[in-house]
Amino acid sequence: AQKVTQAQTEISVVEKEDVTLDCVYETRDTTYYLFWYKQPPSGELVFLIRRNSFDEQNEISGRYSWNFQKSTSSFNFTITASQVVDSAVYFCALSEEGQETSGSRLTFGEGTQLTVNP
Amino acid sequence: DVKVTQSSRYLVKRTGEKVFLECVQDMDHENMFWYRQDPGLGLRLIYFSYDVKMKEKGDIPEGYSVSREKKERFSLILESASTNQTSMYLCASLHSSGNTIYFGEGSWLTVV
Repeated sequence: AQKVTQAQTEISVVEKEDVTLDCVYETRDTTYYLFWYKQPPSGELVFLIRRNSFDEQNEISGRYSWNFQKSTSSFNFTITASQVVDSAVYFCALSEEGQETSGSRLTFGEGTQLTVNP
Repeated sequence: DVKVTQSSRYLVKRTGEKVFLECVQDMDHENMFWYRQDPGLGLRLIYFSYDVKMKEKGDIPEGYSVSREKKERFSLILESASTNQTSMYLCASLHSSGNTIYFGEGSWLTVV
């Protein structure tokens, strides 16, 4: 069975601080996919990134960066120079190979509520 | 852009009522999903469908049913609503060759 743990329920920072959201996963498969989604107050989940298990390169997209460490089963997300608009709930998710389609059976973490104060 | 639309954002229903939550996507996606979101539990999969008239149980199907009569529409049905079904419901869709699930804005259901 697969499992995703986001131990940080809530994080509060002041604007311009860097913040890291932790994600730890469990899976028996050697091929799997990891995702991060952002859920602003409007409710819609916004896709941020998808990473497959064979690609351990870290990724940077503007102020966002992701650190994938297979050895520790972690896929952490860092926001640099945080802004008030980054305030949202962030979900880490996992899907295993062998499903109907990749990503079709996403297992989500509990979510981390990030509040960025001005 | 992919658009997943959930017809009702906020509903209040009484215990025992039959409830329909509708979801429509405009990108000809084969796969559609219904999730439930609760504080501290993340999102949990209720049902999904990979084609018209096809459905599969997710992790928490009890108390729910679904209908997929047309490719673009996936309905979640609560035959007899109960207070423990008060939650946020999220619909999603995915193309069979795609790798990213797109979500609707969510439907907040309160059962009193």
